[in-house]
Amino acid sequence: DQQVKQNSPSLSVQEGRISILNCDYTNSMFDYFLWYKKYPAEGPTFLISISSIKDKNEDGRFTVFLNKSAKHLSLHIVPSQPGDSAVYFCAASEDPGFGNEKLTFGTGTRLTIIP
Amino acid sequence: GAVVSQHPSWVICKSGTSVKIECRSLDFQATTMFWYRQFPKQSLMLMATSNEGSKATYEQGVEKDKFLINHASLTLSTLTVTSAHPEDSSFYICSARYPGEGAFFGQGTRLTVV
Repeated sequence: DQQVKQNSPSLSVQEGRISILNCDYTNSMFDYFLWYKKYPAEGPTFLISISSIKDKNEDGRFTVFLNKSAKHLSLHIVPSQPGDSAVYFCAASEDPGFGNEKLTFGTGTRLTIIP
Repeated sequence: GAVVSQHPSWVICKSGTSVKIECRSLDFQATTMFWYRQFPKQSLMLMATSNEGSKATYEQGVEKDKFLINHASLTLSTLTVTSAHPEDSSFYICSARYPGEGAFFGQGTRLTVV
């Protein structure tokens, strides 16, 4: 049972344009969402997160949007740069606070930025 | 950001032997660490939650006698794959949650059992 889904396994975007990565979830108990970037044979790198009490969080070129009623979140990267090429995972947790929590990951989207 | 160090980065072992993977939080204390496993082209799957000073909590379907977890201190958790088989070959990643920020991951360990 895949509780967090990333339906696009891959995405190609021209350099300088906006990259939009989508993520859907089914567990209504999820309260905190995170996006990670991952290169092959490396651990995921934290990018940005959002609590369920917000609908938008922005950090530099990265913005995450949360539509709780639709159980959907998206990551916007603008402008896209060649160094953004990687696999992006969204993750969700039932714990809205800090401390102990476990993450449920999506299947990942491979983003390729075309120079 | 916080640093989580995982060692070794890769290891090759023979079937039937045991392999230990270490996960350290270098600049913060982590009462809880998590161990994940990733198969090729698949998502990261949580294997177990490692709690300092107590027994680990395993996810359904994960053999606790095969994947031994020890969280002996606030900065170190270890995963030991016992009696390794080729099907245990995978990418193992640990993480620790840094209060107020997102979870930080180690570099991962590529295990190949031959």
